[in-house]
Amino acid sequence: SQQGEEDPQALSIQEGENATMNCSYKTSINNLQWYRQNSGRGLVHLILIRSNEREKHSGRLRVTLDTSKKSSSLLITASRAADTASYFCATSLTGGGGNKLTFGTGTQLKVEL
Amino acid sequence: DAGITQSPRYKITETGRQVTLMCHQTWSHSYMFWYRQDLGHGLRLIYYSAAADITDKGEVPDGYVVSRSKTENFPLTLESATRSQTSVYFCASSEGHWVEKLFFGSGTQLSVL
Repeated sequence: SQQGEEDPQALSIQEGENATMNCSYKTSINNLQWYRQNSGRGLVHLILIRSNEREKHSGRLRVTLDTSKKSSSLLITASRAADTASYFCATSLTGGGGNKLTFGTGTQLKVEL
Repeated sequence: DAGITQSPRYKITETGRQVTLMCHQTWSHSYMFWYRQDLGHGLRLIYYSAAADITDKGEVPDGYVVSRSKTENFPLTLESATRSQTSVYFCASSEGHWVEKLFFGSGTQLSVL
């Protein structure tokens, strides 16, 4: 079964609104990463948060991590049509050697004009 | 343009045939990975490699073979293709042992008829 599960599976918002996606995982992690995938393309790394961090920012992205609840959220502020994509969380597992990532099933975000 | 390239972009084959998907990276990254992406499953790790001549199984290795004779190349072979191997295949690379950022190719869409 997947280590990470994103919620919701699909999200549709208007341009300018904020988009929030959640990721839950099952076992202890070294870090958690978020990736974006545009239709028909490979994944692109967005941001990494380590297990000892609670919040991180990068431009319009804000990521939080709650290790006690084994969950993370990705907030995209002031969404643009170009943010339309699928978003995946990926975890590096403690004891997994740190040298591979396990991906969730993704959230499809649609930002409408 | 430097980066990670996959070929072919699209491939149609028949059950029982051998198929090789190519992956080439120009960064001299140590780690390389093969993932498959299927609806409802997200990305699942097939095989990965820590360096030339060092490979290891991921989550779904059955039916696949990899090799890494040179750091920059990491081909994936389906020895006898089955319909269940119809999928989109992504190659990725990472600079160091601790995977803090994966760089993905554009993918190969494989259909097994």
